[in-house]
Amino acid sequence: GAVVSQHPSWVICKSGTSVKIECRSLDFQATTMFWYRQFPKQSLMLMATSNEGSKATYEQGVEKDKFLINHASLTLSTLTVTSAHPEDSSFYICSARGMTSGSYNEQFFGPGTRLTVL
Amino acid sequence: AQSVTQPDIHITVSEGASLELRCNYSYGATPYLFWYVQSPGQGLQLLLKYFSGDTLVQGIKGFEAEFKRSQSSFNLRKPSVHWSDAAEYFCAVGDGRNTDKLIFGTGTRLQVFP
Repeated sequence: GAVVSQHPSWVICKSGTSVKIECRSLDFQATTMFWYRQFPKQSLMLMATSNEGSKATYEQGVEKDKFLINHASLTLSTLTVTSAHPEDSSFYICSARGMTSGSYNEQFFGPGTRLTVL
Repeated sequence: AQSVTQPDIHITVSEGASLELRCNYSYGATPYLFWYVQSPGQGLQLLLKYFSGDTLVQGIKGFEAEFKRSQSSFNLRKPSVHWSDAAEYFCAVGDGRNTDKLIFGTGTRLQVFP
């Protein structure tokens, strides 16, 4: 199957700093990428959907100025957590999907990034 | 609103025993249903999906799931569990075939004893 990587796998930062997380599709072109957030013992919550070359679409309640998403190429999307605070500490997961062709197109998930804000 | 419930947070089984993980959904139209497995350090992997047709679907790694509309359920089963099946399992419902928006359950952690 297709491979999606995330970098870094974990990051610790001070409150008030910004953190960038990368999501890469390694062996396919991802026209759409998704960013999820997972709290301990809770389900994955979709934060935003981004299509290559377009602005991301954020889910209700997600601050777009807080969580900046860039999908500048068909293999890379980045999530920047700006002015991070302890409540932003979480597990962030990206997924990627190739071009739709009318039939089912699977989302492929990255391994996640653990963010801890001190 | 769409939702997915996985009643069992943690399940422990012996290797070789049968397994059933429960999933109930709330969705107004025909649901697109998925089961994913998440192993430590790895991304979610799709086990199987249901869109339409035969209500018993076969997946990878020997897993199967049965869609029961009357019970709003999509339970995952495996006749004989292997130690390597220990992982977190997520049920999800999708807005459409292209999974534009997946709604996940809270997951069930499976522990397998030798």
